[in-house]
Amino acid sequence: QVQLVQSGSELKKPGASVKVSCKASGYTFTSYAMNWVRQAPGQGLEWMGWINTNTGNPTYAQGFTGRFVFSLDTSVSTAFLQISSLKAEDTAVYFCARGLTVFGVVTPGSWGQGTLVTVSS
Amino acid sequence: EIVMTQSPATLSVSPGERATLSCRASQSVSSNLAWHQQKPGQAPRLLIYGASTRATGIPARFSGSGSGTEFTLTISSLQSEDFAVYYCQQYNNWPLTFGGGTKVEIK
Repeated sequence: QVQLVQSGSELKKPGASVKVSCKASGYTFTSYAMNWVRQAPGQGLEWMGWINTNTGNPTYAQGFTGRFVFSLDTSVSTAFLQISSLKAEDTAVYFCARGLTVFGVVTPGSWGQGTLVTVSS
Repeated sequence: EIVMTQSPATLSVSPGERATLSCRASQSVSSNLAWHQQKPGQAPRLLIYGASTRATGIPARFSGSGSGTEFTLTISSLQSEDFAVYYCQQYNNWPLTFGGGTKVEIK
């Protein structure tokens, strides 16, 4: 069955960087898109963008350009989200979510468990 | 970007009763509409895609309907495990956008 296992919670100081991992299993990693979604404390879901796992080409939603980078290591079926120059407002749970269909619909179909990133001095 | 508006924000329902959740898009999204369920402290789970197709393993008491700008998620007979927050989400246009959520709570 499809599993997306994310790395553990992180506590970072403002200005630092963080890299969140999302390890996939149970399917062919490069056949489905990978999305990233943010959820600030007590808030709703916000789509950050997606990465084409076949080409490595990322697409970022407005508001997630510059400090946010999606990347892959296809040899270990893992997607990464790196955030640099962290700010307090980056405090959130970050979810990876596999696309719905093979080489097709990008929308989230299966979700990772989430990674809490806390930014505090 | 397409704005998704959900109503009501909170729905109080007794177990066994029917729940009807609404979602409106600021412009047509055709049938490219999904519903996700999120329980406290958990990841979301896909319930419905294509406005009305249940995802794998989703019980038949969940049903979706609508197209264009108006959508509905119906839970025919609420079970204890169904009390959660429900998000609609469009995937017709970039960026993908979510509604603000409807919390279904025990009456």
